[in-house]
Amino acid sequence: QVQLVQSGAEVKKPGASVKVSCKASGYTFTDYFIHWVRQAPGQGLEWMGIINPSGGTTSYAQKFQGRVSMTRDTSTRTVYMELSSLRSEDTAVYYCTRDYDLEDNWFDPWGQGTLVTVSS
Amino acid sequence: EIVLTQSPATLSLSPGERATLSCRASQSVSRYLAWYQQKPGQAPRLLIYDVSNRATGIPARFSGSGSGTDFTLTISRLEPEDFAVYYCQQRSDLFTFGPGTKVDHK
Repeated sequence: QVQLVQSGAEVKKPGASVKVSCKASGYTFTDYFIHWVRQAPGQGLEWMGIINPSGGTTSYAQKFQGRVSMTRDTSTRTVYMELSSLRSEDTAVYYCTRDYDLEDNWFDPWGQGTLVTVSS
Repeated sequence: EIVLTQSPATLSLSPGERATLSCRASQSVSRYLAWYQQKPGQAPRLLIYDVSNRATGIPARFSGSGSGTDFTLTISRLEPEDFAVYYCQQRSDLFTFGPGTKVDHK
């Protein structure tokens, strides 16, 4: 079955960077875009950006431009999201999620989430 | 940026009752509107996409309607597992989510 498995929880200091991984299985990796969505504690969902695993092209939400980088490794079927210059407001659960269907930017399935805590 | 607002913020109901959740967009999103369910400690799950299409495995008690700027998610008869938070999302112009509606026990 289609599955996205994310890396484990991280604790970072303000100003540091974090890199979260998302390993895909159960489908042709290069056929479906991957998105990153985050959720601060007790808050709603916020889209961060999208990567095309086929060519590696990306598009980021304006809020994260200059601070986020999404990459992929086709040999390991893994997508990465790196967020730099971390601040306390970046404390959140970070999810990777896949396009539900080809050429259809709805989000399903989702990874299990990675909690990133930013604290001095 | 297209802003989505959801109402009510909380809906208190009993199992077997009908739930009606609303989502309003700041500008037309055509039919590019989806609904997700999220339970505590879990990732969201796609319920409805393109306004009214149920995702794979979603029970028929979930239905969606609307167009343009006003949309509705209806749960015909609440089951115990339906108590959760529901988010609407648009993909007409990038991607944004509504703030969510919590369906809890009366």
